[in-house]
Amino acid sequence: KAGVTQTPRYLIKTRGQQVTLSCSPISGHRSVSWYQQTPGQGLQFLFEYFSETQRNKGNFPGRFSGRQFSNSRSEMNVSTLELGDSALYLCASSLWAGDGEKLFFGSGTQLSVL
Amino acid sequence: ILNVEQSPQSLHVQEGDSTNFTCSFPSSNFYALHWYRWETAKSPEALFVMTLNGDEKKKGRISATLNTKEGYSYLYIKGSQPEDSATYLCAFEGGTSYGKLTFGQGTILTVHP
Repeated sequence: KAGVTQTPRYLIKTRGQQVTLSCSPISGHRSVSWYQQTPGQGLQFLFEYFSETQRNKGNFPGRFSGRQFSNSRSEMNVSTLELGDSALYLCASSLWAGDGEKLFFGSGTQLSVL
Repeated sequence: ILNVEQSPQSLHVQEGDSTNFTCSFPSSNFYALHWYRWETAKSPEALFVMTLNGDEKKKGRISATLNTKEGYSYLYIKGSQPEDSATYLCAFEGGTSYGKLTFGQGTILTVHP
């Protein structure tokens, strides 16, 4: 079974631009969640999608948004990039989530904002 | 704001040593406590998910215990090997979090041959 796939692996953008990251979950998994990893803050929850609906959102500004498609693939968008958005963005999938289920993580997208 | 704390921040041990780390979390609205291992240049990998007070889980040389009443979990590694070197993360899952895990800062373990 293929794992969680995130594209691209690396991305360099400049301030003010926008970026879209993609995540393909493990086949059959319906929940996709996104996390931001920075050296100072550790792993921070962004949002979670299940059956194309956002069920939970972390404490991030509205510039961070996401969506999930009918095939469970998910995208995350960050608009008007700031230097502080430089981070590793991880997505994770699970069958249901919210049920004490373990998450399967992708390798992440390393975003650098210059 | 949920507070999930891990100690120690980092640990250096010799091959063959046994070691343990601590994770403390809120004791209210508890649903599950997760442990993940994150090796350099890889993805975080789930070790255990524990939901019941008194739970004990084991995977090879690694085991974990859970005390939900006092809000802590221990992770033990018996006979550490260099390949155990990684960051160990715990994460709290609340009652209605729908995939929202609140992670601790992690314990960085280095096992010297």
